[in-house]
Amino acid sequence: DTEVTQTPKHLVMGMTNKKSLKCEQHMGHRAMYWYKQKAKKPPELMFVYSYEKLSINESVPSRFSPECPNSSLLNLHLHALQPEDSALYLCASSPRGGPFYGYTFGSGTRLTVV
Amino acid sequence: SQQGEEDPQALSIQEGENATMNCSYKTSINNLQWYRQNSGRGLVHLILIRSNEREKHSGRLRVTLDTSKKSSSLLITASRAADTASYFCATPGKLIFGQGTELSVKP
Repeated sequence: DTEVTQTPKHLVMGMTNKKSLKCEQHMGHRAMYWYKQKAKKPPELMFVYSYEKLSINESVPSRFSPECPNSSLLNLHLHALQPEDSALYLCASSPRGGPFYGYTFGSGTRLTVV
Repeated sequence: SQQGEEDPQALSIQEGENATMNCSYKTSINNLQWYRQNSGRGLVHLILIRSNEREKHSGRLRVTLDTSKKSSSLLITASRAADTASYFCATPGKLIFGQGTELSVKP
């Protein structure tokens, strides 16, 4: 299995809703990442988990809450989002943290906040 | 904060032609990576070139790295319509992406 699987592919949520994005990989990778991408822009790093521990939080608002229950699974819990949070949310993994490996990306979750 | 800057921002060519994209970055790196993204979906890792390498090939892709100029280029030879995508360079650590080049290959 050489894939990163993200669910759902599309999500529409209201500003008072609570929802979660899910990311799964079975490649034995020990580093996992959340990125946010707006249209016509490059992906921007949000969070990094290394060996199931949060190692980087790029000053992301608390309405985004990451969770790494085990080495294969990464969640992003969403609460009280704003319309400007509408974007493509990408999950990625790499064998380990650090600068030496290419990343494997999922296909993303297209989030619309109404 | 972008680490890499790419040019051109958009490139339109005919099938069979070569496409060259350039990337400049700001700080010292261990390696530089190139990714492709089709239609706003997930990114695909194309190639990684280490700081002690000057050139690397993978199929129709050729990447060069000039650490003295802090720049890299990606050449796609004999382009195909299926190569139509956005291409990003990225510097490791936090994997910060450049602005990207939008390549359009017309049949």
